[in-house]
Amino acid sequence: EVQLVQSGAEVKKPGESLKISCKASGYSFSSYWIGWVRQMPGKGLEWMGIIYPYDSDTRYSPSFEGQVTISADESTTTAHLQWRSLQASDTAIYYCARTQMEGNAFDFWGQGTKITVSS
Amino acid sequence: DIVMTQSPDSLAVSLGERVTINCKSSQSVSYSSTNKNYVAWYQQKPGRPPKLLIYWASTRDSGVPDRFSGSGSGTDFTLTISSLQAGDVAFYYCQQYHTSPHTFGQGTRVEIK
Repeated sequence: EVQLVQSGAEVKKPGESLKISCKASGYSFSSYWIGWVRQMPGKGLEWMGIIYPYDSDTRYSPSFEGQVTISADESTTTAHLQWRSLQASDTAIYYCARTQMEGNAFDFWGQGTKITVSS
Repeated sequence: DIVMTQSPDSLAVSLGERVTINCKSSQSVSYSSTNKNYVAWYQQKPGRPPKLLIYWASTRDSGVPDRFSGSGSGTDFTLTISSLQAGDVAFYYCQQYHTSPHTFGQGTRVEIK
């Protein structure tokens, strides 16, 4: 059974750093792109980027490039999303999701990680 | 970026009635070489992650009821719920995965009238 289990909710202050995780199981982690999607409070879905764990090929949305870092660790079958310096506007739920083998529709999703950034 | 524009933003339909949601892309999301349309549809219920309903514009994902169907090609796509059920109350999003970034539409809220 494919599962993506995300790390728990975080409350951080502006300027702090953060790394959240997405633990994958039930499939060959290295062989599927895995991505991140942001959902700000009461808003829609925003595609942030995807990574191919086998070779760490990473594609970012221009809206997020330079603001976050997407990484993947094959040894722990875990994907990560990282911020160096959080802003209040980063407050959102972040979902990880696996893409299909063919095409890049997201077929399995994590439960989401809620990030609150407030002074 | 390819912009995906859904219409309407919201709709209220009686139980058992048909629901039609449109999604228009700012440029073609089809490849003639593959004869495929790189569009997916997702359902998101409150407090839950999105769920894949349709991919390649018209292929239902495993376990998705056949009252959900997708159609379209090029720049114009449609999600249809043939007979609305109470459990279909949700937001629905289209997404193109033709060109990075794989943008989503703004979402359509479906409610019961």
